[in-house]
Amino acid sequence: ETGVTQTPRHLVMGMTNKKSLKCEQHLGHNAMYWYKQSAKKPLELMFVYNFKEQTENNSVPSRFSPECPNSSHLFLHLHTLQPEDSALYLCASSRDRWESNYGYTFGSGTRLTVV
Amino acid sequence: KQEVTQIPAALSVPEGENLVLNCSFTDSAIYNLQWFRQDPGKGLTSLLLIQSSQREQTSGRLNASLDKSSGRSTLYIAASQPGDSATYLCAVKKGGAQKLVFGQGTRLTINP
Repeated sequence: ETGVTQTPRHLVMGMTNKKSLKCEQHLGHNAMYWYKQSAKKPLELMFVYNFKEQTENNSVPSRFSPECPNSSHLFLHLHTLQPEDSALYLCASSRDRWESNYGYTFGSGTRLTVV
Repeated sequence: KQEVTQIPAALSVPEGENLVLNCSFTDSAIYNLQWFRQDPGKGLTSLLLIQSSQREQTSGRLNASLDKSSGRSTLYIAASQPGDSATYLCAVKKGGAQKLVFGQGTRLTINP
């Protein structure tokens, strides 16, 4: 285990469903990130939170809605998704987004399939 | 705009060989470079982190080098084993926007 836990590991949802992905870290980090990994594409940064404040939204469609209630928890709320949103969604954390001496720690990801 | 390229996209070698994976980046204004391993359908496991002021880092059979001026990093794997089979990703933390920018990865297969 890396210290970053994502649930669920797998999720199948219809286009009209509402679901949420959860990420939890016990590393004492203050920055958390959502990444999307689609087949044959580099990881794409979606959102950045630093000390619970959203500091970056990388032009993500509004059907993806992040929430960061505290520095240890990060959610990604999903609604009315499209089949092309099927991907591996990865959560990561770091000490804070400006700190450079330490790297990022990733979770195991949630494999999302939209049907 | 920072771009990260990894060559080759896929590599297959017999067990026991030493091998080198390559990563290049277009903007040398980076804070650090991190190598990750990803097993199929799984998350990323951090292997090595090199600060911009460092030239290399070592962990066990792995050695990563960084030449910031030429925009290159290499990951050297000694005495490869079938368990090393995975996709290897490099990522640079660029200045300014403080983003982690990833390459597309090298899919490595070690044949017994």
